[in-house]
Amino acid sequence: DVVMTQSPLSLPVTLGQPASISCKSSQSLVYSDGNTYLNWFQQRPGQSPRRLIYKVSNRDSGVPDRFSGSGSGTDFTLKISRVEAEDVGVYYCMQGTHLYTFGQGTKLEIK
Amino acid sequence: EVQLLESGGGLVQPGGSLRLSCAGSGFTFSNYAMSWVRQAPGKGLEWVSAISFRGDSTYYADSVKGRFTISRDNSRSTLSLQMNSLRAEDTAVYYCAVNWNCDYWGQGTLVTVSS
Repeated sequence: DVVMTQSPLSLPVTLGQPASISCKSSQSLVYSDGNTYLNWFQQRPGQSPRRLIYKVSNRDSGVPDRFSGSGSGTDFTLKISRVEAEDVGVYYCMQGTHLYTFGQGTKLEIK
Repeated sequence: EVQLLESGGGLVQPGGSLRLSCAGSGFTFSNYAMSWVRQAPGKGLEWVSAISFRGDSTYYADSVKGRFTISRDNSRSTLSLQMNSLRAEDTAVYYCAVNWNCDYWGQGTLVTVSS
């Protein structure tokens, strides 16, 4: 089974400052079709999860451009260029190459 | 606007059964695979099951294999999850989601397994 490991698990950030979350997989996430199925989700307090990024670096519709995804193979990163108050919540990576596995989640809070 | 409405959650005793439903609207339901993801109280997300757009391919997490069955009725734009032999560790909010990689999510329905 593929294990997804996120770090840090807790991320205090000052408003307007950048933030970065790492996600590492125990196996390469490159699928046989050449795509890498690595997604990022945001779950605000009391809400359902919402997908932000699919296939490593593609932003979903309506997602602010301060969110960006990067990486390849087994190492991936979600970056927020300037954190806003509405970004508070838990962020999860999820791989969709070898069935589906979520990371443990990273809790972003305002310092 | 894509809408997913889960129903069927509730309190059930260990060993019991429950059937969850998810009604989809605002998109062509029959064109998309569908997924179930759960979240135990205060915990992270766990993928549970997924089904192809025709319903001819199904996949399960090891933790539910042999106990849960995913199905769909494209004529009614409805996804289902039949849960048997329920355990305390199945207690969670169950979300349905559009597509293999969970493009859109519903609001969830709470399942509590307790005596």
